[in-house]
Amino acid sequence: AQTVTQSQPEMSVQEAETVTLSCTYDTSESNYYLFWYKQPPSRQMILVIRQEAYKQQNATENRFSVNFQKAAKSFSLKISDSQLGDTAMYFCAFMKGSGGGADGLTFGKGTHLIIQP
Amino acid sequence: KAGVTQTPRYLIKTRGQQVTLSCSPISGHRSVSWYQQTPGQGLQFLFEYFSETQRNKGNFPGRFSGRQFSNSRSEMNVSTLELGDSALYLCASSSPDKYTDTQYFGPGTRLTVL
Repeated sequence: AQTVTQSQPEMSVQEAETVTLSCTYDTSESNYYLFWYKQPPSRQMILVIRQEAYKQQNATENRFSVNFQKAAKSFSLKISDSQLGDTAMYFCAFMKGSGGGADGLTFGKGTHLIIQP
Repeated sequence: KAGVTQTPRYLIKTRGQQVTLSCSPISGHRSVSWYQQTPGQGLQFLFEYFSETQRNKGNFPGRFSGRQFSNSRSEMNVSTLELGDSALYLCASSSPDKYTDTQYFGPGTRLTVL
């Protein structure tokens, strides 16, 4: 079984600052995907970024980028030029690469990110 | 393309009743997964359906069941409701035919059991 650990229950930064959210995972799988999802107060779960484990290049999506360290089983999310709308719960999630998603996502407990004006 | 839709958005039930929640996936997506989100347990995988077949189920009692129809719409049912079933129930759809199995979530159904 897989586990995902987010060690920062809450973080607070000023608008326009850069913030990094941590995530570590444990798995014996060699083929897998990692995701960051954002859940604002509306509770809608929104995909932020995904990373295929076999890719060495770190994924980026505009202001969002990841630092994927496969050997260390670490998958951190960096948000640059943070905005008020980035305030949300952020969940790190793992999915096995085989099985077509049948096993679902394994989520961490989440990090509550607050962007202060 | 329309996103994942879930109905109803809010439900209030009493202990012992049963409830049915509905999820319509993104057009063209054939996989639907269900999750339960509670403050204590976080997000937990309930089950996944693909082409009307349940492929996997999480560690939940048999009171939790589901099905998928030929148009990929899915329903989940919880029988004999307990107070602990109060939660946000999220469904997600994906297209395993494609390269990645990225799951896209609906807005959720908030179930309150009194």
